Amino acid sequence: DAGITQSPRHKVTETGTPVTLRCHQTENHRYMYWYRQDPGHGLRLIHYSYGVKDTDKGEVSDGYSVSRSKTEDFLLTLESATSSQTSVYFCAISESLAGVHEQFFGPGTRLTVL
Amino acid sequence: KNQVEQSPQSLIILEGKNCTLQCNYTVSPFSNLRWYKQDTGRGPVSLTIMTFSENTKSNGRYTATLDADTKQSSLHITASQLSDSASYICVVSLSGGYQKVTFGIGTKLQVIP
Repeated sequence: DAGITQSPRHKVTETGTPVTLRCHQTENHRYMYWYRQDPGHGLRLIHYSYGVKDTDKGEVSDGYSVSRSKTEDFLLTLESATSSQTSVYFCAISESLAGVHEQFFGPGTRLTVL
Repeated sequence: KNQVEQSPQSLIILEGKNCTLQCNYTVSPFSNLRWYKQDTGRGPVSLTIMTFSENTKSNGRYTATLDADTKQSSLHITASQLSDSASYICVVSLSGGYQKVTFGIGTKLQVIP
């Protein structure tokens, strides 16, 4: 998985509780991303980062926040989890090679919100 | 609206046979197209990446083609193996933004003995 780890790998939580997912990379890539994958949908971008402390929203960012205090770590926080946030979450990293970004994905975190 | 559509949604083939998966896209302006393999319970793994000027790219038994004029791509798998059972995802990137990426839903391939 290209030097990318995600923790936890599985989590079950209750509606209204805060949840933080962690992505850690050893590749020193500048760009990091959080996606969610749901049945019937392609992966959808939640938030992304283009450097330490530099982040921006993706297409499905409502209810999520992120932080990146170090190059290697990108955290995704659900401030108050809802059942609609039950999903599989993937972290990805990329670096520009001749202007082309090839993304490498982590193993995923399966989150269930009851 | 930028879209990536894949067909078929699912496919069952016998071990040793060949198969071709299709990807049509309406993404514009186009930067590159990638094919990923996703095993159950794992993250997607890159198979090929093609820019506008490339029309064929191979990775072992996987060969991807790209027709930028018709906005179509295909992934051909030769001499399939049981380990090819997975979802195959077509991904198209827009130019002008590394984060502007559209994912297809994927084709679920099952290779049976």
